[in-house]
Amino acid sequence: NAGVTQTPKFQVLKTGQSMTLQCAQDMNHNSMYWYRQDPGMGLRLIYYSASEGTTDKGEVPNGYNVSRLNKREFSLRLESAAPSQTSVYFCASSFGLGEANEAFFGQGTRLTVV
Amino acid sequence: GESVGLHLPTLSVQEGDNSIINCAYSNSASDYFIWYKQESGKGPQFIIDIRSNMDKRQGQRVTVLLNKTVKHLSLQIAATQPGDSAVYFCAETPLSLYSGGYQKVTFGTGTKLQVIP
Repeated sequence: NAGVTQTPKFQVLKTGQSMTLQCAQDMNHNSMYWYRQDPGMGLRLIYYSASEGTTDKGEVPNGYNVSRLNKREFSLRLESAAPSQTSVYFCASSFGLGEANEAFFGQGTRLTVV
Repeated sequence: GESVGLHLPTLSVQEGDNSIINCAYSNSASDYFIWYKQESGKGPQFIIDIRSNMDKRQGQRVTVLLNKTVKHLSLQIAATQPGDSAVYFCAETPLSLYSGGYQKVTFGTGTKLQVIP
């Protein structure tokens, strides 16, 4: 049981390049999330998908797009990377739908934009 | 405790002693709280949660205390071990039947626990 799997683990981009971060979960969770983690800022929600077929903006959505490909997969796309997007990105999933439950996180993607 | 800024507050504890990590939350509408542990280079990992209708909940070697009057949460780790060294942060959220609950989670910035062998 792999839980939440993110790829890639590390990435260096040049300013203006695009890339997609992939995330897949095998726990049959309804809800999936993308967070970024910066020093001293805690985790900030970029986008979330409460259930398959829906996506919504979180706290810091600018510069990102997402796709909930199916129940298992939720991808995050940077169309034109900027140095301000240098961060550690975490994908998470939970049963969601109003239940009190914890999120399970992936191992993270360390992205550097130069 | 929690802090905003570039440097995480650090708690140094001797192996075998008890650790207490504090968290002050801000939203009085929050009614579900979670403690996460994050080891270096890894994603956050659930430790324990508590609903606002409780003031104490115990797990294996961990206890969470909730004081809603002063909006304060604490995590107590008994007999701290080297493997407990990590960053710990609390998360708060208002439960909502319609919103799914989790998208309104607010994470604290964390406290670094260092266990001295």
